[in-house]
Amino acid sequence: AQKVTQAQTEISVVEKEDVTLDCVYETRDTTYYLFWYKQPPSGELVFLIRRNSFDEQNEISGRYSWNFQKSTSSFNFTITASQVVDSAVYFCALSEGNNDMRFGAGTRLTVKP
Amino acid sequence: DGGITQSPKYLFRKEGQNVTLSCEQNLNHDAMYWYRQDPGQGLRLIYYSQIVNDFQKGDIAEGYSVSREKKESFPLTVTSAQKNPTAFYLCASRYSSNQPQHFGDGTRLSIL
Repeated sequence: AQKVTQAQTEISVVEKEDVTLDCVYETRDTTYYLFWYKQPPSGELVFLIRRNSFDEQNEISGRYSWNFQKSTSSFNFTITASQVVDSAVYFCALSEGNNDMRFGAGTRLTVKP
Repeated sequence: DGGITQSPKYLFRKEGQNVTLSCEQNLNHDAMYWYRQDPGQGLRLIYYSQIVNDFQKGDIAEGYSVSREKKESFPLTVTSAQKNPTAFYLCASRYSSNQPQHFGDGTRLSIL
C-alpha cells in the first residue's frame, strides 16, 4: 500500500531563514506522482507542485525548490528566505494509477517576524 | 470561473440527525473525493468516485454515505452512525491520477 511520511510535525523559524520540509514515500508502482500542497489558516488546500516518477530533475520556483530522490524515496521541499506569509500547514501526497491520493500528516510551519 | 463549491461553510448537527454536505464542480473532472481533517491532523479519505454512478470506500467510510448521480456533484451524508462527526470536511476533484486535486473551501461540521 502506498504511504507518505512527513516526520516533522511542527517547524518554527525566524523570517529570512531557510527551511526544508521532509517527505518520504512508499510505493510498489514504478509510475507514480508526487505533490505538495499548502494549507493556510483559512483552510483551503493550494496546489504547489507535481512531479512524476520518471522526472528526478529538481525544480525551483522563486523562493521554493523541490528535491526529488528516488534512491531515498524522498521529495523534500525547501523555502529559501522564509516570510511570515509562508506560515501554513504543508502536505506531501502520493498518487498511483488507481486514482486515489494519499496525504502525509502535514508539517505546520510557523515563520516568526 | 471554474472551481469546486462546497456548501454550507458551517454546519451543525443534532444528535441522531443525518446531514448532507454539498460538493459541486464545473471543471469537467471525472474523479471526486471527500476527506476529513481533524484539528492538527492530516487528511483522511472517506470516499472517492472515479465515474458517475460508481464510488469506492476510503479509509474511514463508516458512518458516511455518498452518491454520484451527476458528474458535477458528489454529496456526502454524515449519518447518525458517525459518532464523532465534528471535523473539517474537504471535497476535491481531478481529471486523472497524474493530475493534482483541486479542493473546495471546506465545510466545518459541529455537534449541537
